[in-house]
Amino acid sequence: GQQLNQSPQSMFIQEGEDVSMNCTSSSIFNTWLWYKQDPGEGPVLLIALYKAGELTSNGRLTAQFGITRKDSFLNISASIPSDVGIYFCAGGSNDYKLSFGAGTTVTVRA
Amino acid sequence: DAGVTQSPTHLIKTRGQQVTLRCSPKSGHDTVSWYQQALGQGPQFIFQYYEEEERQRGNFPDRFSGHQFPNYSSELNVNALLLGDSALYLCASSKRQGWSDTQYFGPGTRLTVL
Repeated sequence: GQQLNQSPQSMFIQEGEDVSMNCTSSSIFNTWLWYKQDPGEGPVLLIALYKAGELTSNGRLTAQFGITRKDSFLNISASIPSDVGIYFCAGGSNDYKLSFGAGTTVTVRA
Repeated sequence: DAGVTQSPTHLIKTRGQQVTLRCSPKSGHDTVSWYQQALGQGPQFIFQYYEEEERQRGNFPDRFSGHQFPNYSSELNVNALLLGDSALYLCASSKRQGWSDTQYFGPGTRLTVL
């Protein structure tokens, strides 16, 4: 399947910090989706992007669909403790199946 | 508005056995996709059902099969279970329109093969 490279693999946040993560691919996608997964649960959709160059916000979250259609980033502003979890990017194409990155694990810095 | 539901929550089987997992899509959705998520990895696409037919398939052997019912609910069947089939199995539903496919996930079924 298509390979998505998600970085960083993990990050530590301090409350109030802005954090950023991104996803790149060698393939073009028509849709970029960002999900958050808590332990033992299914992924929850955070933001969906449908057009190259699109910038979309959902509360403190902002994501962009790269102009080349091969990348996307997710920013979290003013992080809070409940932002911890695993964030996944997913790319969708005309074949209706999603390809996922390996995830970015966000942990609170002690 | 009910979201995607899956049953059972957890399942323990032994090698060689067969298992059936169930999924009910979100209200208004007509397409169901199944994913396997191994520990520490992202979900891997197994297959997708639309109009009661398998429309797309990922890189999984024929031991993995499925079904979609007229009410859009779906089953995933795995035969001749292997230890490596232990994973979280996720169902995702969507409304097929155009080429975009925004999928919503259920809570998953944790399968352990001993």
